[in-house]
Amino acid sequence: DSGVTQTPKHLITATGQRVTLRCSPRSGDLSVYWYQQSLDQGLQFLIQYYNGEERAKGNILERFSAQQFPDLHSELNLSSLELGDSALYFCASSVGTGFGYTFGSGTRLTVV
Amino acid sequence: EDKVVQSPLSLVVHEGDTVTLNCSYEVTNFRSLLWYKQEKKAPTFLFMLTSSGIEKKSGRLSSILDKKELFSILNITATQTGDSAVYLCAVEPHNTDKLIFGTGTRLQVFP
Repeated sequence: DSGVTQTPKHLITATGQRVTLRCSPRSGDLSVYWYQQSLDQGLQFLIQYYNGEERAKGNILERFSAQQFPDLHSELNLSSLELGDSALYFCASSVGTGFGYTFGSGTRLTVV
Repeated sequence: EDKVVQSPLSLVVHEGDTVTLNCSYEVTNFRSLLWYKQEKKAPTFLFMLTSSGIEKKSGRLSSILDKKELFSILNITATQTGDSAVYLCAVEPHNTDKLIFGTGTRLQVFP
């Protein structure tokens, strides 16, 4: 157990729907990162929050949004889902820049 | 555009063999390079490298960084079936908290 908790582990949903993925960071970590891993692609950075504020943004689609709450857990919202959104979504946490990242076990999203 | 390229894409070896995985990068304002092992799900941290020429070692795994030639290698000696995984290389630039990942090297170790 890495200490980073992601729920749910698996999610199957239809096109056009909206889902919410949840992440609880490791105790003491203030930064939360979201990554998407599709087949044949490496991990793609989506967005980062630090202590409740958005810190960095990657190639995140406008249909996707995220937030970090006062208790530091984070949620990634994916809406108007398309077949191509099917992927593994990872959350990682860190105490700060340059201290390495710990990944959760991911949420496998399947859009049918 | 910042990028990380790993080679080979895939490697199949027998137990006991030694393997070398390569990672080259083009990144503005390099801060560190990280190696991760990904089996079924979560990538697990192996090494963080920030300085050239200093080998990091953990058991049968070792890694070194060359900041002049912009690459790193990950060596695994006396491979075991449990080493079968995708090995990911990532670079962290300065002034940003994101990691830029390569697509990984898939290693399969057969008995």
